[in-house]
Amino acid sequence: GAVVSQHPSRVICKSGTSVKIECRSLDFQATTMFWYRQFPKQSLMLMATSNEGSKATYEQGVEKDKFLINHASLTLSTLTVTSAHPEDSSFYICSATDSIYGYTFGSGTRLTVV
Amino acid sequence: GNSVTQMEGPVTLSEEAFLTINCTYTATGYPSLFWYVQYPGEGLQLLLKATKADDKGSNKGFEATYRKETTSFHLEKGSVQVSDSAVYFCALPGAAGNKLTFGGGTRVLVKP
Repeated sequence: GAVVSQHPSRVICKSGTSVKIECRSLDFQATTMFWYRQFPKQSLMLMATSNEGSKATYEQGVEKDKFLINHASLTLSTLTVTSAHPEDSSFYICSATDSIYGYTFGSGTRLTVV
Repeated sequence: GNSVTQMEGPVTLSEEAFLTINCTYTATGYPSLFWYVQYPGEGLQLLLKATKADDKGSNKGFEATYRKETTSFHLEKGSVQVSDSAVYFCALPGAAGNKLTFGGGTRVLVKP
């Protein structure tokens, strides 16, 4: 089946630094990738939708300058949390979709900003 | 737009008990319906899906039937195991057919 690799699984960074999270579709080409944020014991909150070669579409209330999304190829999307602060600490999950496999999720990244 | 409502947890059960997690939806047309499972510290895994009315999705002993009359997609398992402890999400595509809309999630804890 389809596999989406998300890296890193855990990251701790200092306030003010930037962190990049990668999401790769390993055995299929993803027409669209999604980035979610999940707070403890809560559901997934969609942050943005990205299509290869075009700008990401951000959900209302998500700061595009804070959460930079790059979707340079059909198999790779990155989320960069810029100038991270403790309130950005969260679990971030990516998802990739195509016409054959539907929606496939990465294993998530636990970000802790200290 | 499309939306989904699922029962709140946590649901605590003993091993071999019967599990039901209710999920109802509001949608334009008849979209595919999904159940995802999230084990602690992990991403989401597709548990099962149904693509049209009256379809029954099944996997790992779990079942859910797409019922358009009651706009429901309840998840059931006849005999749960400790390893079924997880958070379960009901989901459906948005009205535009692209992004998924999730329910709030139901945490299930199975005790030995």
